[in-house]
Order: sequence, then C-alpha cells, then structure tokens
Amino acid sequence: DIQMTQSPSSLSASVGDRVTITCRASQSISSYLNWYQQKPGKAPKLLIYAASSLQSGVPSRFSGSGSGTDFTLTISSLQPEDFATYYCQQSYSTRFTFGPGTKVDIK
Amino acid sequence: EVQLVESGGGLVKPGGSLRLSCAASGFTFSSYSMNWVRQAPGKGLEWVSSISSSSSYIYYADSVKGRFTISRDNAKNSLYLQMNSLRAEDTAVYYCARVLITGGDAFDIWGQGTMVTVSS
Repeated sequence: DIQMTQSPSSLSASVGDRVTITCRASQSISSYLNWYQQKPGKAPKLLIYAASSLQSGVPSRFSGSGSGTDFTLTISSLQPEDFATYYCQQSYSTRFTFGPGTKVDIK
Repeated sequence: EVQLVESGGGLVKPGGSLRLSCAASGFTFSSYSMNWVRQAPGKGLEWVSSISSSSSYIYYADSVKGRFTISRDNAKNSLYLQMNSLRAEDTAVYYCARVLITGGDAFDIWGQGTMVTVSS
C-alpha cells in the first residue's frame, strides 16, 4: 500500500498567518492527492482535489500544489474557522490511504 | 439537497456482527462509486472499502478483508457494510462517502457517521 506522511503533526498559528502543511507519498502518485478539513465531532470536508483544484464552495485562501511524491496545502491568511485537523489522501491506488493528519490550533 | 445518512451502529460484543447502512438522497446514486471510511476515537481517518457504481469493482483494506462485505442497492439508493467477526480495534465512527466523478476519486460528500463500539 502507498504510505502517506504529513508534517508537521501539529502547529500553532495566529489569525492572519500563512500556514503550509506538507504531505509526502511513499511512491509517485502523479496528482492524485486530495486534502480534507475536519473539525471535532464533524465529518471531513473536501478542500482540494487532484492536488490543486479547489472544491466548489471552498474559500480561495486554500490552495494546493505538488505532484509525484511531494505536496503542499497552503492557507494564505488563517481565519478563526480554519482551526481544525487537515488530512491528505492519495487516490492513485484503489486502496486509498490517508495521511496521519495535521492539527492547526490557536497560538 | 445532496445527503448521505448512515445508520446501524451500536454496541456489539467481540466476534459479533453488525450491518451498517447509508441512505443517499439528492443525487443519482447509481452513477457514483462509494466508500466506507472509519475513524477510531481520537485517531485519524482509515479507508475501509470501496464499491463502483455497478458493484463491478470492490476493494477492501487489509485490516477488514475477509470479515467485512460492502454492497449496494441502487434501486433503494443505499450502501451497506456487513461487518462480521468484529474486534475491539474495529471500534470507530464509520462514514460513508461519495466519490467525486470529475475529481480524481476524491470523496466529496460524507455522511455524519455512525458509531460502532466493540466491547464485552
């Protein structure tokens, strides 16, 4: 199976900060990389699909980049509602795998 | 409104069985591949199983292969997960999720989840 890693595992940031989360795949997954946001007690929400495509309704402060094995999720200006856990997921293989998550909390 | 609603969770003893259901509404269910994803308490997301729109292709995570069975009834707009030989480590919130047709198999719609607790 394709293994996904994320860094950092957690970070503290302030409203207005630029935040970057990195995801790495154990083998090349082309652009089959998706990002989700999850808040406590809620289902995950799709933010970015195919590495860089913004899901409908998601604010433009979220962006994704990368291909192959290295990917990045960037929040250009952190808002109060963005404090959450973020997961990457590969959909290159039919046995989908998620990264371990990155928790973004208030500094 | 596009919606997925899971049901069927509960408390079950180790070795027992449970059948989860996911009712879809607001979209053409028969056109979409579907998945089950679980999340153990305080842990991350784990993909469990997927099924194509016509049930032609089915995949399982190694952790559940041989014990869980995914199925669907397109006439009833429903997805199922039959879980047998349950273990304590199967304790989790189980989500059903729809695959985004135009987006590299991302999961664009999720249900609210149903809790499964395996304990004696």
